[in-house]
Amino acid sequence: EAQVTQNPRYLITVTGKKLTVTCSQNMNHEYMSWYRQDPGLGLRQIYYSMNVEVTDKGDVPEGYKVSRKEKRNFPLILESPSPNQTSLYFCASSLSGQVYEQYFGPGTRLTVT
Amino acid sequence: GENVEQHPSTLSVQEGDSAVIKCTYSDSASNYFPWYKQELGKGPQLIIDIRSNVGEKKDQRIAVTLNKTAKHFSLHITETQPEDSAVYFCAATSSEGYSTLTFGKGTMLLVSP
Repeated sequence: EAQVTQNPRYLITVTGKKLTVTCSQNMNHEYMSWYRQDPGLGLRQIYYSMNVEVTDKGDVPEGYKVSRKEKRNFPLILESPSPNQTSLYFCASSLSGQVYEQYFGPGTRLTVT
Repeated sequence: GENVEQHPSTLSVQEGDSAVIKCTYSDSASNYFPWYKQELGKGPQLIIDIRSNVGEKKDQRIAVTLNKTAKHFSLHITETQPEDSAVYFCAATSSEGYSTLTFGKGTMLLVSP
């Protein structure tokens, strides 16, 4: 089944404890992206990758890191999480190297205390 | 950067009625305008999209119209059904390489039987 998977789906952590949210797609997609969703703010793009080893900042990259060492994986790293990073995170991918026809993962709900 | 405004924030209709959600965007160079549906506890799902060289696109009960001069686009759902109840997001590309999407804040659509 073609899909985008994220792990974990739920995570509660403490301020400053490094964490990684994994994202994987099995559709051989070129483009992958991370978004955060907050009430009243919609979806905001954190980072994106147009191909392996190519990453760039979205609208809200502060406090996040990403890497794209393999085509199928695009992990989101929070080196020192803070409470304002409490949010619902979505990974997405698309076949082309651009934003067209993105498929979204199921989401990861992160709480930082 | 791109700014996308979406209205209304909530919309209640009776089953069988039509629903219209409107979005405006600021970047005249934007060329791709998708609509996503998000059901409770799930990731956004692409339901229809339109590119700037087309004025209207239909897919069964769903249609999108684009007015590039006025910089607005709309989602039309006819013969609404209870399963159409969800949050709908519009989005537009940034003119910077068409690698980023800016989303509206969402419309919660409630279809009552």
